[in-house]
Amino acid sequence: DILMTQSPLSLSVIPGEPASISCRSSQSLLFNNGNNYLDWYLQRPGQSPQLLIYLGFGRASGVPDRFSGSVSGTNFTLKISRVEAEDIGVYYCMQALQTPRTFGQGTKVEIK
Amino acid sequence: EVQLVESGGGLAQPGRSLKLSCQASGFIFRDYTVTWFRQAPGKGLEWVGLIKSKPFGETTEDAASVRGRFIFSRDDSENIAYLQMNNLKVDDTGVYYCTRGIGAIFGVPYGLDVWGQGTTVTVSS
Repeated sequence: DILMTQSPLSLSVIPGEPASISCRSSQSLLFNNGNNYLDWYLQRPGQSPQLLIYLGFGRASGVPDRFSGSVSGTNFTLKISRVEAEDIGVYYCMQALQTPRTFGQGTKVEIK
Repeated sequence: EVQLVESGGGLAQPGRSLKLSCQASGFIFRDYTVTWFRQAPGKGLEWVGLIKSKPFGETTEDAASVRGRFIFSRDDSENIAYLQMNNLKVDDTGVYYCTRGIGAIFGVPYGLDVWGQGTTVTVSS
């Protein structure tokens, strides 16, 4: 199984400030079509997960443009350019290259 | 509105069975693989398994932790997917979600853009 490692596991941010979450995969998520199969999800308290980013950097429909994803080899980054109060929750990366799908441990984001 | 709604959760004793349903609406259900996830209380997300669409033979894949106990099925005429959970264990306790994806490789979805609200399964004696 592909191991996904997220950091940090918790993050306290000031509204309006940027935030960054890292995710590393134990093997390449690059398929021979040139896509990296890595998704980012946000699970707000008491809610179902919500797709933010797919294929490493594609923003899902309705996701604000303050969210962005980037890829460097087996390292993936989710950036929030200016954190807002509604961004609190747990962020997960998930590899979508192989089954079983596997997730990072989650990063809990709270507002300072 | 594109929607998935799970139902069928509840309390079951170890060794017993439960059958979850995932009712789809607002999209062409038969074109999509349905993937199931679960989340134990206070824990992260875990992939449970999936059932592919008819073009991919409605084949299923499952996590090692549920293999031989959980069965995935679908009824495209009713826009519904099922998760039959047999020989339940305490570790099966959690919220179960069904999902669909934006795209797929070899019928296995990525970019899970629609999630149900979840249904809670509690396995306890």
